[in-house]
Amino acid sequence: ETGVTQSPTHLIKTRGQQVTLRCSSQSGHNTVSWYQQALGQGPQFIFQYYREEENGRGNFPPRFSGLQFPNYSSELNVNALELNDSALYLCASSSPPSEKETQYFGPGTRLLVL
Amino acid sequence: AQKITQTQPGMFVQEKEAVTLDCTYDTSDQSYGLFWYKQPSSGEMIFLIYQGSYDEQNATEGRYSLNFQKARKSANLVISASQLGDSAMYFCAMREEYYGNNRLAFGKGNQVVVIP
Repeated sequence: ETGVTQSPTHLIKTRGQQVTLRCSSQSGHNTVSWYQQALGQGPQFIFQYYREEENGRGNFPPRFSGLQFPNYSSELNVNALELNDSALYLCASSSPPSEKETQYFGPGTRLLVL
Repeated sequence: AQKITQTQPGMFVQEKEAVTLDCTYDTSDQSYGLFWYKQPSSGEMIFLIYQGSYDEQNATEGRYSLNFQKARKSANLVISASQLGDSAMYFCAMREEYYGNNRLAFGKGNQVVVIP
């Protein structure tokens, strides 16, 4: 196990609703990244947080937003849910530069939008 | 443009045999890192191995080795002595190493099924 935890594990929402996903990073890791993985695809980078600041963003609309807290845990918020937001959402925390800044992933949150 | 290409169809591998998973990548950067992850049906992405673009030796981690051919822009994963627990999706990913960037670009994955 990586030490990265995510909650909830599964979630069902309806179109137009809002959702918050949570992630606790591995001890000592101050960078957290979020990815969306649609069925049958590789993960797509949403954004990254470093020391509570957004540090890079992928090609996702503003209704995808995030936060990082002083303890380096993080939230992903998605507003106005659409059907194609249904996916596995993965959080990863990064090891220090001395360890190649390898990203270690949590178990993911499976979101279904009806 | 697709940065990571994994085009092999699903593979069946006999237990105890070796399997090679192909990955080609596209970048104009000189400094980058290549990663392989394993994703079992449970969904968690498990880090397997890392290769830096300036590393002269091919990376190895236990039964995993990376056949890195920089000129051909390929980074194939070799799993030796396959085990039933190796059945999973395998993803190749690249990180272009410029300042402030730590995002991974993933391929679409290779499905491996190990049969007894």
